Amino acid sequence: DVKVTQSSRYLVKRTGEKVFLECVQDMDHENMFWYRQDPGLGLRLIYFSYDVKMKEKGDIPEGYSVSREKKERFSLILESASTNQTSMYLCASSPGGETYNEQFFGPGTRLTVL
Amino acid sequence: AQSVTQLDSQVPVFEEAPVELRCNYSSSVSVYLFWYVQYPNQGLQLLLKYLSGSTLVESINGFEAEFNKSQTSFHLRKPSVHISDTAEYFCAVTGYSSASKIIFGSGTRLSIRP
Repeated sequence: DVKVTQSSRYLVKRTGEKVFLECVQDMDHENMFWYRQDPGLGLRLIYFSYDVKMKEKGDIPEGYSVSREKKERFSLILESASTNQTSMYLCASSPGGETYNEQFFGPGTRLTVL
Repeated sequence: AQSVTQLDSQVPVFEEAPVELRCNYSSSVSVYLFWYVQYPNQGLQLLLKYLSGSTLVESINGFEAEFNKSQTSFHLRKPSVHISDTAEYFCAVTGYSSASKIIFGSGTRLSIRP
């Protein structure tokens, strides 16, 4: 069974802290994605990666960075967390190649920044 | 660039009643279309997709969606809903040349009343 796991379901941090959100997939997928989900706004793409050590900005990259040192792992980093980064964060992966390939999602991390 | 509009943020229906969740898109290129479902406290799962061929596509749990190019719509329907269909539904679009980026709508929360 395909699987995307995220390191935490719930996380509470303080303003100014450095925050790491980890995502691991076991499907040998080339593509990995980080989204944030907010009520009424749907999913917005933060960053994505086509391959190891490759990364591209999505629609809302400000305040975030990413790291992909291994194919199966894609990390989202909040260098200095702020209250407006309180949100649900979803990681996804998909096979490389065609644009219509299904994205497989993790369960999400609900981050609260106080 | 593509965009997706889901006209209804919430749709309440009674159990065993029919339902339609509306989705309209805009794009200057040909598109692939998707419906994803998010059950409570879970990540998103692909429900169905339109790639080419028959404009009517079906899921294994009784949902169907019809691609209407002239009206740029991809509405989701089910003739008789169950309590277990309670979830948030996201319409999504990607262009043929979008290199794996998918644009999601803002979501429609389907609530089923007994």
